Amino acid sequence: AQRVTQPEKLLSVFKGAPVELKCNYSYSGSPELFWYVQYSRQRLQLLLRHISRESIKGFTADLNKGETSFHLKKPFAQEEDSAMYYCALHSGGSNYKLTFGKGTLLTVNP
Amino acid sequence: NAGVTQTPKFRVLKTGQSMTLLCAQDMNHEYMYWYRQDPGMGLRLIHYSVGEGTTAKGEVPDGYNVSRLKKQNFLLGLESAAPSQTSVYFCASSLAGWYGNQPQHFGDGTRLSIL
Repeated sequence: AQRVTQPEKLLSVFKGAPVELKCNYSYSGSPELFWYVQYSRQRLQLLLRHISRESIKGFTADLNKGETSFHLKKPFAQEEDSAMYYCALHSGGSNYKLTFGKGTLLTVNP
Repeated sequence: NAGVTQTPKFRVLKTGQSMTLLCAQDMNHEYMYWYRQDPGMGLRLIHYSVGEGTTAKGEVPDGYNVSRLKKQNFLLGLESAAPSQTSVYFCASSLAGWYGNQPQHFGDGTRLSIL
């Protein structure tokens, strides 16, 4: 069975500090991994996915198959980054279900 | 461009009452999903559909039924509401898998309270 673990429920940093939101997964095959973000009073939206290898809003995430991790990083946090972040795994195949982690609430203090 | 629209946005029910949550998408997506979001639990998949006329169980299907009579609509029903079903419900949709792993597009959510 696949599983996504986000070990931190809450993460608080100061503006301008680096931030890393951890995500570990358990899956025997080749996963597709995503980060979704939910800003206050807004709908959940895709932030980035590992196959795109892109940087969105200054965030990056690298899939480390050896450590089964997909940590989300940003070198300089901004107040507008405060949100709930969810890591999600898709196992591939014909059913496109996502398995979500429990989420990390990031607060960026001024 | 509405994307994914959920109705209603809020609802309070009494235990034992029934109701239907409606999800509509205007992106011609094949796949649709219903999740519930609970504090400390993240998002858990209730049911999903890979096309018109098809439905499948997700992680937490008990107490819920779904229907996908039209491609653009995915209905979530509670036949006899229970306090444990108090939650925020999210609908999502995505393109079919043969285009690659397409991201899911979410609605604004429905906040449901069962008294």
